Amino acid sequence: QSALTQPRSVSGSPGLSVSISCTGTSSDVGAYNYVSWYQQHPGKAPKLIIFDVNKRPSGVPDRFSGSKSGNAASLTISGLQAEDEADYYCCSYAGDYTLIFGGGTKVTIL
Amino acid sequence: QLQLQESGPGLVKPSETLSLTCTVSGGSISSRGDYWGWIRQPPGKGLEWIGTMYYKGNPYYNPSLKSRMTLSLDWSKNQFSLRLTSVTAADTAVYYCAWGGSGTYGGRLFDYWGQGTLVPVSS
Repeated sequence: QSALTQPRSVSGSPGLSVSISCTGTSSDVGAYNYVSWYQQHPGKAPKLIIFDVNKRPSGVPDRFSGSKSGNAASLTISGLQAEDEADYYCCSYAGDYTLIFGGGTKVTIL
Repeated sequence: QLQLQESGPGLVKPSETLSLTCTVSGGSISSRGDYWGWIRQPPGKGLEWIGTMYYKGNPYYNPSLKSRMTLSLDWSKNQFSLRLTSVTAADTAVYYCAWGGSGTYGGRLFDYWGQGTLVPVSS
């Protein structure tokens, strides 16, 4: 089980959009529509922001959206705000109730 | 509101066993269809899924850790636990417990997390 591949960092200006890619294989991301995304601020526990590729838990702003194509998933943050500066992790179901995380992406607001 | 709290030793020596407990409040670990999990994060690094436990006691382990770990539930105390044997410095991490969803959404996400506990492995 190798970690899903994410860019180490992305950046964007307030009000604009950024997208984070998450690349896996045909055994995880490509096999199931069970990709989730987590936001983590420094020193805090991760927070679920997207599940099942594109569903948002209650209370998560609709500025956060997810998608998937083939073996790659993406998280898009629209209308960037200062509080969006954080680390973001993707996670995919990989069968037999196993999960695999991505390496994480640091989002910087310019 | 579901709340989770990790507890365990502040330090573990190499080759010894790491034992952590997660105490759940605001809900029951015996709730039908619920999943309970462990995730860790080495200092300055990314998240790693450790394992997940179904409310009935079925464990699901990260293949890379399976030979060294055991997950368990204690319905009477509303707690679930992790044991990791033969630890090395590579096991130094913040360990999180989390609620892994329920029913149709169970086992493939983590929605409520504990605050995490740092477990250094050092002599």
